[in-house]
Amino acid sequence: AQKVTQAQTEISVVEKEDVTLDCVYETRDTTYYLFWYKQPPSGELVFLIRRNSFDEQNEISGRYSWNFQKSTSSFNFTITASQVVDSAVYFCALSEAFVNNAGNMLTFGGGTRLMVKP
Amino acid sequence: EAQVTQNPRYLITVTGKKLTVTCSQNMNHEYMSWYRQDPGLGLRQIYYSMNVEVTDKGDVPEGYKVSRKEKRNFPLILESPSPNQTSLYFCASSLGGYTEAFFGQGTRLTVV
Repeated sequence: AQKVTQAQTEISVVEKEDVTLDCVYETRDTTYYLFWYKQPPSGELVFLIRRNSFDEQNEISGRYSWNFQKSTSSFNFTITASQVVDSAVYFCALSEAFVNNAGNMLTFGGGTRLMVKP
Repeated sequence: EAQVTQNPRYLITVTGKKLTVTCSQNMNHEYMSWYRQDPGLGLRQIYYSMNVEVTDKGDVPEGYKVSRKEKRNFPLILESPSPNQTSLYFCASSLGGYTEAFFGQGTRLTVV
């Protein structure tokens, strides 16, 4: 069965610090998809990134970057020069391709609450 | 504007009183799902639907029902709510398997 673990339940940083949110996953499938979502204090879920298991290239989008390592089953998320507006709960999620090839069931981690202080 | 709309946003009800949370999407997506969010547990899938009249159980379906009579709508029904169903509920839709899921604004349900 698929599982996603976000060991850090809460992280507190001071503005402009870099911060990395860890995500470790378990799956028996060779084809799968990984996601990160942001949940700001207003409560909605905002899609950040989707990565398939065959694409291990790291990705950078502005101050955000993602490091995908199949060898350690990790998909970590780094925010560079954090800002107060980055304060939110961040969720990592996994979708297996063949076990659940039609339902698009996302298995979420427990989330990491990031607090960025001015 | 592409969106998933849930109603109501907030609901307080009593044990045993049937309720329905509506969900509608305007993106012509085939896939729709319901999740519940509880502290420390992240989001867990309740039910999903691959198309009209096609639904299946997710991880935590007990105590819930769904229907998909139209492509755009996917209501969540609690026939006899209990306090352990107090939670934050999200509806989501997506174009297909493994694609980006679009989430509604959430419904905070309290069962007393």
